[in-house]
Amino acid sequence: AQRVTQPEKLLSVFKGAPVELKCNYSYSGSPELFWYVQYSRQRLQLLLRHISRESIKGFTADLNKGETSFHLKKPFAQEEDSAMYYCALLLSPSNTGKLIFGQGTTLQVKP
Amino acid sequence: DAGITQSPRYKITETGRQVTLMCHQTWSHSYMFWYRQDLGHGLRLIYYSAAADITDKGEVPDGYVVSRSKTENFPLTLESATRSQTSVYFCASSDWEGNSPLHFGNGTRLTVT
Repeated sequence: AQRVTQPEKLLSVFKGAPVELKCNYSYSGSPELFWYVQYSRQRLQLLLRHISRESIKGFTADLNKGETSFHLKKPFAQEEDSAMYYCALLLSPSNTGKLIFGQGTTLQVKP
Repeated sequence: DAGITQSPRYKITETGRQVTLMCHQTWSHSYMFWYRQDLGHGLRLIYYSAAADITDKGEVPDGYVVSRSKTENFPLTLESATRSQTSVYFCASSDWEGNSPLHFGNGTRLTVT
């Protein structure tokens, strides 16, 4: 079955501390994975996607096929990073654009 | 992105009533989606549409009906609302060629009493 799991509902860290938001997936094919973010009173928006291998707002995520994971990391958290983060998997066939999302993790960065 | 709008922003309705949530996008995106957001479940896909007059079920379609007579509109109807349909509903659109991301609306918070 195709599934995305984010084991932590809430992650609370202090400003300047490293952050790792966990995401594990179950998928039989070659996965395409994304991280979306929802800041308070804002729309859900794309943060990054694994095929781009980019760093956005200091966040990176590496696809580990052996561990079926796509964890989101940032070396030094900022207060403005406080938000809800969703990991998402593109379902096949990929040209439908259908994403399934994990349960979401709320990141709270304390001053 | 002001290009995708949902209405109403908030809605309270009674069990058994029909209610329609509206979604309008101005980009002429081919793909449109409806998700519901619930604590502990994250976002779950209800229905999606690849183009006008083409719709298909997602993960949780029961109790919902969609239509897409025009590319820009994708209304979601709850034919007989139940308390379990109390949720925040998000519409999204995408021009999926080249792996473009989903663009989300602001959401509709629906309460069924």
